[in-house]
Amino acid sequence: DAKTTQPNSMESNEEEPVHLPCNHSTISGTDYIHWYRQLPSQGPEYVIHGLTSNVNNRMASLAIAEDRKSSTLILHRATLRDAAVYYCILRGYNFNKFYFGSGTKLNVKP
Amino acid sequence: AAGVIQSPRHLIKEKRETATLKCYPIPRHDTVYWYQQGPGQDPQFLISFYEKMQSDKGSIPDRFSAQQFSDYHSELNMSSLELGDSALYFCASSLVRMGGLAGGPAKNIQYFGAGTRLSVL
Repeated sequence: DAKTTQPNSMESNEEEPVHLPCNHSTISGTDYIHWYRQLPSQGPEYVIHGLTSNVNNRMASLAIAEDRKSSTLILHRATLRDAAVYYCILRGYNFNKFYFGSGTKLNVKP
Repeated sequence: AAGVIQSPRHLIKEKRETATLKCYPIPRHDTVYWYQQGPGQDPQFLISFYEKMQSDKGSIPDRFSAQQFSDYHSELNMSSLELGDSALYFCASSLVRMGGLAGGPAKNIQYFGAGTRLSVL
């Protein structure tokens, strides 16, 4: 299975944009890039996903490199409620395999 | 909107006892996944079911078993509990069938329950 690499932790100020990077150099052509986040003491929560084109939704934006070997989750204005562990996950056609990596712990400062 | 329901939320057991965790997926979802998250660790995939058939196994101990019933709810059965089994157990569900021709199940979103916290004493 293709693996992802994320920084262990990042810090942001409230109301500022946050760019969370993810490297996935062994991604295959059919792998979708998913982002989930886990707030303290809660189950993981879907954030966004994409295949090749950049994606926007009400929670975030996903910027995917042209070669698809990396992606960046963008939170446009971080709030204290965005403090969580963010996971970048590759999901292939074999839908049963869905592995979390180590994730990035985002700390948002007031 | 209905979410994934897990019960119980908390469970305390002694070593060598058995435990049964239940998961009720979002209505009309056809796939259920189980994950284990130890203290300070990331979620680890255990097992999944699609249309009541086991679809894949991850790092699930032989002491654990699971099934999905005709009403699509799933149960994770854990026997001969060990101290190391103390963890948060999450269930997730998704609708795979409608992924269909446009990218298949790879793009399907998993919706997670709040988890069951199992403590083995």
